[in-house]
Amino acid sequence: NAGVTQTPKFRILKIGQSMTLQCTQDMNHNYMYWYRQDPGMGLKLIYYSVGAGITDKGEVPNGYNVSRSTTEDFPLRLELAAPSQTSVYFCASSSQDSALEITNYGYTFGSGTRLTVV
Amino acid sequence: AQSVTQPDIHITVSEGASLELRCNYSYGATPYLFWYVQSPGQGLQLLLKYFSGDTLVQGIKGFEAEFKRSQSSFNLRKPSVHWSDAAEYFCAVGSTGGFKTIFGAGTRLFVKA
Repeated sequence: NAGVTQTPKFRILKIGQSMTLQCTQDMNHNYMYWYRQDPGMGLKLIYYSVGAGITDKGEVPNGYNVSRSTTEDFPLRLELAAPSQTSVYFCASSSQDSALEITNYGYTFGSGTRLTVV
Repeated sequence: AQSVTQPDIHITVSEGASLELRCNYSYGATPYLFWYVQSPGQGLQLLLKYFSGDTLVQGIKGFEAEFKRSQSSFNLRKPSVHWSDAAEYFCAVGSTGGFKTIFGAGTRLFVKA
């Protein structure tokens, strides 16, 4: 059981370049999330998805785009990379139990992508 | 609005000593509460969670946490710390009936021999 898989693990981009961070999960979770982590700042939500075809903005969506064509995949697109996007990016997923009325069992995280924009 | 405060940016404990990491939250009702651990270069791993019921919850790796409604706290404890526990720990809160989670800024734990 792989859980949440992110690729690549490291990447260096030049200012103005674009790239896609890949995220896939094999747990059949409905909810998926993209966070960025900056030193001393905790995690900031970029985008999230509640199911295939449905996405919404989080706290810091500017400069990013997402899509969710399948339950498994939730790629994050960076257009026109800027130095402010230098960060560690984490993808996560979560499930719920409607019968127990528990809507958040906690998140499963990928191992992250460390991105540097120069 | 929900918020999470971890008052300690970093803590140093001796191996074998007890540990308590503090977490305070702000939420109108009883929230979902979580603790995560992040080892260097890794993603976050769920240590334990509280939904309702018994206010003392047990997690993985020998950790436990106690929910205290009157103090809006959810402190993480371990009776005897091992060198492998050195990591960053995040407290998090989720709204009941929702799926989003707000994370604290984290507490970095250093373990000295």
